[in-house]
Amino acid sequence: RKEVEQDPGPFNVPEGATVAFNCTYSNSASQSFFWYRQDCRKEPKLLMSVYSSGNEDGRFTAQLNRASQYISLLIRDSKLSDSATYLCVVNVLSGGYQKVTFGTGTKLQVIP
Amino acid sequence: EADIYQTPRYLVIGTGKKITLECSQTMGHDKMYWYQQDPGMELHLIHYSYGVNSTEKGDLSSESTVSRIRTEHFPLTLESARPSHTSQYLCASSERAPLNTEAFFGQGTRLTVV
Repeated sequence: RKEVEQDPGPFNVPEGATVAFNCTYSNSASQSFFWYRQDCRKEPKLLMSVYSSGNEDGRFTAQLNRASQYISLLIRDSKLSDSATYLCVVNVLSGGYQKVTFGTGTKLQVIP
Repeated sequence: EADIYQTPRYLVIGTGKKITLECSQTMGHDKMYWYQQDPGMELHLIHYSYGVNSTEKGDLSSESTVSRIRTEHFPLTLESARPSHTSQYLCASSERAPLNTEAFFGQGTRLTVV
């Protein structure tokens, strides 16, 4: 089983739609969580951190469920510019060091 | 914008050649990483470093080697390039502490071995 799992998609949604991605992680000692965005043939960039109480940044909402070991990303009112691959990232503190694990990514295609 | 740079951006080279991919960051980050990513595929961690003189192999076996003689510099070397090494190589860095910090990526080196 992979440490961080995501549905690879692609998710093809019309403009204006709401879309949600889930990500599950296997290590219960995971301590911090992020969503990254990667455009085609570009490097990943941080979209938002995920806090225990959930957090929102404009049209984007991230939530964490520690009991079930999953995090989610909700995008409201999808724009064409949201088309990208969304990567779930989990950090685990192991032996005093931080281990960063990326999920495989979920591809989103917003259609006009 | 992140202050992490990779050179070259694109490299086409013949089989058997020795190559070094450069990665430098000016943020004073202790942790640095090398990832390999094929088009449309997931990121695979191939090497990482916790600081000067620290290097570790990642989750994906790689024939490449790395060194960390200076904090800001984390080059990756392939002694003898092969077509199977064709891929995109992404370098990243992050602060060692606190834990809840993001990783910053360079723009990547797209390597083609012919």
